[in-house]
Amino acid sequence: GAVVSQHPSWVICKSGTSVKIECRSLDFQATTMFWYRQFPKQSLMLMATSNEGSKATYEQGVEKDKFLINHASLTLSTLTVTSAHPEDSSFYICSAGDLGRGFLEQYFGPGTRLTVT
Amino acid sequence: GENVEQHPSTLSVQEGDSAVIKCTYSDSASNYFPWYKQELGKRPQLIIDIRSNVGEKKDQRIAVTLNKTAKHFSLHITETQPEDSAVYFCAASRGNQGGKLIFGQGTELSVKP
Repeated sequence: GAVVSQHPSWVICKSGTSVKIECRSLDFQATTMFWYRQFPKQSLMLMATSNEGSKATYEQGVEKDKFLINHASLTLSTLTVTSAHPEDSSFYICSAGDLGRGFLEQYFGPGTRLTVT
Repeated sequence: GENVEQHPSTLSVQEGDSAVIKCTYSDSASNYFPWYKQELGKRPQLIIDIRSNVGEKKDQRIAVTLNKTAKHFSLHITETQPEDSAVYFCAASRGNQGGKLIFGQGTELSVKP
């Protein structure tokens, strides 16, 4: 159980274009979904937290107009990187949280490697 | 703000030896402490977690201890194997409030055969 999928696994796009990344919880309904980015040899940096049907909460320094998050259902959240620039190139990882046992346990997707040329 | 410090940043051990990674957290309201293992280019995998009402938890070769008073927790891996080589992250959260995870900086563990 607790499987989270992410699509695509990697994507290359040109500067100025937008890219959408999907995160799905396959066998449970996620109370909350989280989006992280990770640079090489660094820790996971939380970008935003989203709950189904409500606006995402962005961490300080993360541009909400650039990183659009939609949490349409309890099993799907999307992250759209708008007007991508080379500095947006990174490993983006989502996680889905399950509060079913009283504590929020997070399960991670496999990540999406974004390269902006 | 909330912060988690993790040490060491790199750790090299001989196969069969033990490895210990330590973390300190700042938010005294944290009550959920998971540990993740991440192999290169892959997702973090939850390997063990502990809640604040427990001082120690063990799962085969892996154990985690928690000292709430000192606000630190540690991961212990015994009888290390080459396949244990990876980056390990500790994290802390107010788990019962659905709180976000605050991650440590990571420890790159290398187990030499």
